[in-house]
Amino acid sequence: AQSVTQPDIHITVSEGASLELRCNYSYGATPYLFWYVQSPGQGLQLLLKYFSGDTLVQGIKGFEAEFKRSQSSFNLRKPSVHWSDAAEYFCAVGGGSNYKLTFGKGTLLTVNP
Amino acid sequence: EAGVTQFPSHSVIEKGQTVTLRCDPISGHDNLYWYRRVMGKEIKFLLHFVKESKQDESGMPNNRFLAERTGGTYSTLKVQPAELEDSGVYFCASSVISPGTLSYNEQFFGPGTRLTVL
Repeated sequence: AQSVTQPDIHITVSEGASLELRCNYSYGATPYLFWYVQSPGQGLQLLLKYFSGDTLVQGIKGFEAEFKRSQSSFNLRKPSVHWSDAAEYFCAVGGGSNYKLTFGKGTLLTVNP
Repeated sequence: EAGVTQFPSHSVIEKGQTVTLRCDPISGHDNLYWYRRVMGKEIKFLLHFVKESKQDESGMPNNRFLAERTGGTYSTLKVQPAELEDSGVYFCASSVISPGTLSYNEQFFGPGTRLTVL
């Protein structure tokens, strides 16, 4: 069965600092991997996705993620965090005939001024 | 273009009552998914429609939950009778279908319905 682990429930960073959110997955085949963000009162918004090819993927809002098969990881990074990045971030793996998503528990990001 | 919409945004009901949640997908999206997030837990898949047909309802918790998608447009999720453990946020998502390919199409999520059962 597929699963996703986000080991950090809550992370606090200062504005302008770099950010890395961790994600480990378990999946029997080549996974489709995603990062979603949810701001208060909003739906989940797709930040980036990995299907195949280049293991470093670029997303919206200056985010990037790197797929490391040997470590079963798909960590999200941003070089300089903005106050508007404060939100909850979800890593997900998808696949199978209907592409349903399996999510991690989420990481809540707080940005200090 | 309008995104995925869900109604109501919040619902507070007593244990034993019935609640119906509605999801309007993006126009032209034949895939429709329901997910749920119970507080402190991960977002979990409930079921998947292709047009009006249920493709996968392996995530439905029990027979108190009934999902429909008559006409292949909007979908409803009814909980009857509601229990305390049904409290959480219910998300709907939709995506297009790319026939004849194995490409994955992005799921667009609605803002969710927060259900509180007292």
